[in-house]
Order: sequence, then C-alpha cells, then structure tokens
Amino acid sequence: GDSVTQMEGPVTLSEEAFLTINCTYTATGYPSLFWYVQYPGEGLQLLLKATKADDKGSNKGFEATYRKETTSFHLEKGSVQVSDSAVYFCALSKEGGGADGLTFGKGTHLIIQP
Amino acid sequence: KAGVTQTPRYLIKTRGQQVTLSCSPISGHRSVSWYQQTPGQGLQFLFEYFSETQRNKGNFPGRFSGRQFSNSRSEMNVSTLELGDSALYLCASRRDITNEKLFFGSGTQLSVL
Repeated sequence: GDSVTQMEGPVTLSEEAFLTINCTYTATGYPSLFWYVQYPGEGLQLLLKATKADDKGSNKGFEATYRKETTSFHLEKGSVQVSDSAVYFCALSKEGGGADGLTFGKGTHLIIQP
Repeated sequence: KAGVTQTPRYLIKTRGQQVTLSCSPISGHRSVSWYQQTPGQGLQFLFEYFSETQRNKGNFPGRFSGRQFSNSRSEMNVSTLELGDSALYLCASRRDITNEKLFFGSGTQLSVL
C-alpha cells in the first residue's frame, strides 16, 4: 500500500539555520503531495502542496519540490525562526479526489533554539 | 469565518464504554473526514463523509462508526472502548471531494482507562 517515510527527530536547530526535512513516498500513479504543520495543542494546518512532478510548493519561506524520479518531497527553509518550532507532517493523496484519505508520515518534531 | 470545531476537547472513559465525538465543519464545506493520531501509529484515516454518505473507511474495526447530518455536521462513535483507542481524534473538512485542501480541527483527546 501507499506509505510516506520522514525523519522523526527531534530535529534541533539554531535560529537562522538552514532547514531540510526529508520525505520519501511509495505510491502508484501520480499522488498529490503535502506538508502539514501542527503547533502544540492545535490541529494540522496545510503548509504547502504540489500536485504533479516538478511542481514546487511554497509558503511562509518554506519550499518543497515534487521529485517523481526519486519519489521525494523534501521540505526546506533558508532561515528558520523560533516560531517555526512545531511538528511537520509529509502526506500524500491518491489520484481521484482522495477518497482513501491522506496517508501521513510519522511527523518530524522541529525545535528551533534562539 | 469560524474554523472546524470539535467537541468535547477532552474525554475520559473506561474500557467497555462507548463514546460520541462531534465535528462542525467550516460553513459551506460538505465533506468531513476523521483521523486518529497516536504516538505509535501516527495519523491514520478513519473515514470520510460527503453529503451524508460514507465515501470510504480506513483499516479500523466495526466498533468505529460515524455519520453526517444534513447540515454537514458529523459525529463519530466508538463502541466497546479499548485501552488502545486512547488517541487524539482529528476532524477535517473540505469544500467538496474535488478540493484537496483539508482544514483540521484541534481534535478531541480521548483517554480510555
């Protein structure tokens, strides 16, 4: 079946450091790919998405590129802030409206120190 | 515009009991999905409702059920609770089934003792 694999962390960085969170997936066809973020005590918020190969999703300084050849969707940010501390989830949705729901990775806990 | 609202925020139950969780989607959203979040298994899809019909169900036993009302509000029921049902239950809504963007509520934290 479909699956998403991501580093679980915690990942600890200093403020203004460069961030990469790796995400790889296994799925048939051409799924849509997502990054969601969860702040303490809150639900998940969509951070960015990409729906086809070579698409780049971006939002709030975060970027991720849909790489079909390596089945990857790595999340990057050039300069992180303390407020970026959260849990980040990579997810995929099958073609056809996502009737089977989203398949999530286990989440990566990111801690940014001042 | 109000977000996705889940009630109650916290619940404590004992084994063997049943529980009902409620979710009010964003106004105008007709699809509601439910997910279970645990430290061990992560986020897992339970089911999705659209226009009062269940579209699909994840790999969960029949003790987990749900329904959707004509105003799009949804309830999820778990019968004969087990210790392993302790989890954060998240509800998510979207405008319709062609729109991939999900909006999540803050969840209901269920503890089974």
